[in-house]
Amino acid sequence: AQSVSQHNHHVILSEAASLELGCNYSYGGTVNLFWYVQYPGQHLQLLLKYFSGDPLVKGIKGFEAEFIKSKFSFNLRKPSVQWSDTAEYFCAVNPYPYGQNFVFGPGTRLSVLP
Amino acid sequence: SAVISQKPSRDICQRGTSLTIQCQVDSQVTMMFWYRQQPGQSLTLIATANQGSEATYESGFVIDKFPISRPNLTFSTLTVSNMSPEDSSIYLCSVEGQAGGYTFGSGTRLTVV
Repeated sequence: AQSVSQHNHHVILSEAASLELGCNYSYGGTVNLFWYVQYPGQHLQLLLKYFSGDPLVKGIKGFEAEFIKSKFSFNLRKPSVQWSDTAEYFCAVNPYPYGQNFVFGPGTRLSVLP
Repeated sequence: SAVISQKPSRDICQRGTSLTIQCQVDSQVTMMFWYRQQPGQSLTLIATANQGSEATYESGFVIDKFPISRPNLTFSTLTVSNMSPEDSSIYLCSVEGQAGGYTFGSGTRLTVV
């Protein structure tokens, strides 16, 4: 069965620090990849997605992610985090033939200290 | 992307009772998905609801415990039946967006006492 792993359960950074959250998936075929964010008390929001093309995708709020097919990875990055980035981040994979076969990672909690 | 209205937003229920959660989408969608997010955990797909057919349940979830209705292309309900404290979770509905990605409702935070 497909699975998604996220490298860190909880990351604590100071403001202006750089961020990289790791995500790896286990599926050998074609996949769509997503990062979702869940701010405290709020619902899930799509941060960015990768379907095809340029493996470096840019999302909202200065986030970007790089798809490395050979490593089955889709790491999320931001050069300078803000206190408002404090949230839970979920990586998700939708393998072909897509549709309802949508698997979430366990999530990484990011705490940004002011 | 679609806008999803989900209600109730939260509820506290007695064990042994049932709660029905409603999900309304502002556009017609073929498939609607129901997820559970247990405290401190990630999302787990409960079932996929297609209009005009029975829902498809994931391993570990059964229709008797989580009956789903899908009367039309914009609406679905999930019922959590005969609740126990282990059912305390956030329940979310989701639809696939036109441009890809999935849109989630705001969730229903259920506490069973």
